[in-house]
Amino acid sequence: GEDVEQSLFLSVREGDSSVINCTYTDSSSTYLYWYKQEPGAGLQLLTYIFSNMDMKQDQRLTVLLNKKDKHLSLRIADTQTGDSAIYFCAFPSGTASKLTFGTGTRLQVTL
Amino acid sequence: DVKVTQSSRYLVKRTGEKVFLECVQDMDHENMFWYRQDPGLGLRLIYFSYDVKMKEKGDIPEGYSVSREKKERFSLILESASTNQTSMYLCASSLSLAGEVEQYFGPGTRLTVT
Repeated sequence: GEDVEQSLFLSVREGDSSVINCTYTDSSSTYLYWYKQEPGAGLQLLTYIFSNMDMKQDQRLTVLLNKKDKHLSLRIADTQTGDSAIYFCAFPSGTASKLTFGTGTRLQVTL
Repeated sequence: DVKVTQSSRYLVKRTGEKVFLECVQDMDHENMFWYRQDPGLGLRLIYFSYDVKMKEKGDIPEGYSVSREKKERFSLILESASTNQTSMYLCASSLSLAGEVEQYFGPGTRLTVT
């Protein structure tokens, strides 16, 4: 099965850029996802990238995919206090739209 | 908007009790999932269901069972709760399509077993 690793914690100052990293073992996924979990809530899809792309930009979010190194990253520009959350990378696994989630990175934004 | 609701936000149960966690979705999704979330371990899939009365084990099914009698409802059952089942439980649902498919999550149930 897929092994997906993320660092557990990241602290950035408001206005700085945040980079959340994810490494994985299985390279056959067609779509790679980033989910966000705000305090006290379930997960919400933040963005995704198709595996034949290297980069996807969506307003303040940039997703970078390095298939050779099996590395996925999420960059948040001009990080705001509302970005404080846990971020999970996720990959399709098997059938029925199953996903394998990373361990999650808690982003803390300080003033 | 898709809405996934879970019966309780917080639950405290005693060791050995039978525990039912209920999940309801209102978007006619075929797939439903139960995860548990623990710090440093991320989300781990317990069971999923791709149709009414159909279920498959996920990565950590031991100590759990599920029931899906209606399309919109997916129940997680702890037959005899143990302290190592203290966790956050998240339910999700999705359509059954090829390609990019989003999972929609409920707010979670924080279960404490004493």
